[in-house]
Amino acid sequence: AQSVTQLGSHVSVSEGALVLLRCNYSSSVPPYLFWYVQYPNQGLQLLLKYTSAATLVKGINGFEAEFKKSETSFHLTKPSAHMSDAAEYFCAVSDGGSNYKLTFGKGTLLTVNP
Amino acid sequence: GAGVSQSPSNKVTEKGKDVELRCDPISGHTALYWYRQRLGQGLEFLIYFQGNSAPDKSGLPSDRFSAERTGESVSTLTIQRTQQEDSAVYLCASSTFDRRGYEQYFGPGTRLTVT
Repeated sequence: AQSVTQLGSHVSVSEGALVLLRCNYSSSVPPYLFWYVQYPNQGLQLLLKYTSAATLVKGINGFEAEFKKSETSFHLTKPSAHMSDAAEYFCAVSDGGSNYKLTFGKGTLLTVNP
Repeated sequence: GAGVSQSPSNKVTEKGKDVELRCDPISGHTALYWYRQRLGQGLEFLIYFQGNSAPDKSGLPSDRFSAERTGESVSTLTIQRTQQEDSAVYLCASSTFDRRGYEQYFGPGTRLTVT
């Protein structure tokens, strides 16, 4: 079975500072990994995905994530936080046996302070 | 183009009543998913539909939950005899059938409150 652990349910950064949201996964097969963002009262929007191509994945809004197999990690970063980045972020891994089923982490709420 | 839509956006119901939640997927998306998001939790997979294949119901928490889909169109999630623990946001997503990694597009959700 797949599982995802997001370290830190709440991360607070200053505007312009580095954003680092941590995600570790467990999987018995090569995973597909995803980061989604959820703005208040909205559905989830895909930020980026890793599907066994390049290990450094670039997404929308300046976010990127690096797949590190040795560390079973897929941390999300952005060099400079913007106020509009304030949202909840979810890491997800696909079920290895049937790629469609996503297992989500519990989410990390990002607060950006002026 | 139009995204995934869900209705109603909010539903308040009394314990023991039945509710129906509706999802309209993106046109052309053959796959449809339902998830449940409880307060402070991640999303829990409920059910998956792909074309005319038998749905994957492995995530449904009890036999009070059921879902239907008409072809590659609208889906309805039904919860019978609602309980307070059913209170959550129910999210629907759709995707194309892409073996490289299913990119799921989510609707805004239905917030269900059972009183």
